[in-house]
Amino acid sequence: GAVVSQHPSRVICKSGTSVKIECRSLDFQATTMFWYRQFPKQSLMLMATSNEGSKATYEQGVEKDKFLINHASLTLSTLTVTSAHPEDSSFYICSANDRGGYGYTFGSGTRLTVV
Amino acid sequence: AQSVSQHNHHVILSEAASLELGCNYSYGGTVNLFWYVQYPGQHLQLLLKYFSGDPLVKGIKGFEAEFIKSKFSFNLRKPSVQWSDTAEYFCAVNASQFYFGTGTSLTVIP
Repeated sequence: GAVVSQHPSRVICKSGTSVKIECRSLDFQATTMFWYRQFPKQSLMLMATSNEGSKATYEQGVEKDKFLINHASLTLSTLTVTSAHPEDSSFYICSANDRGGYGYTFGSGTRLTVV
Repeated sequence: AQSVSQHNHHVILSEAASLELGCNYSYGGTVNLFWYVQYPGQHLQLLLKYFSGDPLVKGIKGFEAEFIKSKFSFNLRKPSVQWSDTAEYFCAVNASQFYFGTGTSLTVIP
């Protein structure tokens, strides 16, 4: 089946630094990838839709200058959390749609802890 | 606004008991429906999905769900749960974008 690889799985960073999270579709091309954030005991919340070759579409309330998304190729999207603060600590998950029939496949997620 | 409601926030069952988790959505158009499971410490995995056709959908690990259009529901069922089914279960609707329910935490007692 379709596989989405997400790295790193865990990252701890100091407040004020930036962190980049990668999301790769390993055996299919994804013109669209999605970035979610999951707070403890809560559901996934869509942050933005990443479109290959164009600007990402951000959900209301999500700061585009803080959460930079780049979708430079059909198999890679990156989310950069800039000037991270402790309140940005969360679980970030990407997903991509394999239009070949497997539907939406999720990455394994990234646990970000800002100290 | 579109929404997905999961009425059971936390369910505790003994092994071999039957399971039904409720999911209702609000969207008047064509939707694709999903159930995902997240085992402790792991990422989301797809249990089953409904796009069209037979409204009774069978998924992995003995799970099934029934789409009832008139009730805007897509309830998840399993006749006999196992301890390994302990996890968080998310219902999701894709109507131009994904909408997730708040999740149901299932604890199965051996």
